[in-house]
Amino acid sequence: AQSVTQLGSHVSVSEGALVLLRCNYSSSVPPYLFWYVQYPNQGLQLLLKYTSAATLVKGINGFEAEFKKSETSFHLTKPSAHMSDAAEYFCAVSESPSGTYKYIFGTGTRLKVLA
Amino acid sequence: GAVVSQHPSRVICKSGTSVKIECRSLDFQATTMFWYRQFPKQSLMLMATSNEGSKATYEQGVEKDKFLINHASLTLSTLTVTSAHPEDSSFYICSANHRSYNEQFFGPGTRLTVL
Repeated sequence: AQSVTQLGSHVSVSEGALVLLRCNYSSSVPPYLFWYVQYPNQGLQLLLKYTSAATLVKGINGFEAEFKKSETSFHLTKPSAHMSDAAEYFCAVSESPSGTYKYIFGTGTRLKVLA
Repeated sequence: GAVVSQHPSRVICKSGTSVKIECRSLDFQATTMFWYRQFPKQSLMLMATSNEGSKATYEQGVEKDKFLINHASLTLSTLTVTSAHPEDSSFYICSANHRSYNEQFFGPGTRLTVL
């Protein structure tokens, strides 16, 4: 069975500050991990994904995440927050990189960016 | 490419009526589509996996007779909420697997309100 835990349902950062959103996973098989962003009343947009290639994954909008097997973590970071980054962020895990298998989502972290 | 649409975006219905939600992959064929529901300020919960030409696979606790899923073509899956009740009010999101990208692409969601 797979699961995802996102620590911190709400995170606030100042504009220009480092963004760190935490994600820990549990999986009995090699995991494939994803970060999605959701703006109000919209669907999900993929930020980045880990599919067993490089452990440091770079995504869109300046985000990146590092897969750490020893810590079972896949935390999302961005060096400098922008007001437009305010949104809900979801971490997800899957048993397959192909997209044909179900994703298990974490409970989400709402990011607030302060001016 | 890789656009997924949902129709309608919002629907309000009376208790006891049935509502159909469409999910279309606009520029690609999707052998597998997924249906999620999301309650306010909560995560996405997978309801079912829909494979073209075969019966959907429902997650534990999801009533298959209440949430009818049809995946009649490689570009269309439908979710019908039968005899809807206020507790069925939610945000329903579909996703479609794009084989070339090896990932799921998400629709913009449908907000269902049952009065």
